[in-house]
Amino acid sequence: GENVEQHPSTLSVQEGDSAVIKCTYSDSASNYFPWYKQELGKRPQLIIDIRSNVGEKKDQRIAVTLNKTAKHFSLHITETQPEDSAVYFCAPGSYIPTFGRGTSLIVHP
Amino acid sequence: NAGVTQTPKFRILKIGQSMTLQCTQDMNHNYMYWYRQDPGMGLKLIYYSVGAGITDKGEVPNGYNVSRSTTEDFPLRLELAAPSQTSVYFCASGKQPELNEQFFGPGTRLTVL
Repeated sequence: GENVEQHPSTLSVQEGDSAVIKCTYSDSASNYFPWYKQELGKRPQLIIDIRSNVGEKKDQRIAVTLNKTAKHFSLHITETQPEDSAVYFCAPGSYIPTFGRGTSLIVHP
Repeated sequence: NAGVTQTPKFRILKIGQSMTLQCTQDMNHNYMYWYRQDPGMGLKLIYYSVGAGITDKGEVPNGYNVSRSTTEDFPLRLELAAPSQTSVYFCASGKQPELNEQFFGPGTRLTVL
């Protein structure tokens, strides 16, 4: 099955800084690369996704970049705000997703 | 649309008891999933279904059973509850077969004592 790793497991930044979370995967057949955000006590929700025929996608302060050759994709958050504090999960796959263990992002005001 | 709904929100079970976690979606999604999330961990797939009448095991199916008699409903059955099944359970649905966004229910927090 797919082996998915996320780094770092915890990320602490000051408000206004940028944050980058990296996800590596093993299955070369994976063609869908989403990032989910889970606030404390809430359900995971999709914040951005990318497909294998695209290298980068942006949505306001968040972006996802994909390197299919190296089998990794990254979440970029610019101008971080306290409300960005949450756990972020990658979940790559082609048919059934495999979730990473999550990155806890803490944004200090 | 209500999206994905789950009941109950919380439940405490005694060891050896059984229960069914309910999940319903009103988005006409063909794929449905059950995950468990242990503290500080990601989501582990228990079972999934690609359509009514079809179910398959995920990564951690032992101790659980599912059924999918309709497109909307995907209940998860726990038989002989054990403390290792203490977790938060999320149901999700998605429009496939091409992998797409998953829509999650609010979760059920289960404690087995």
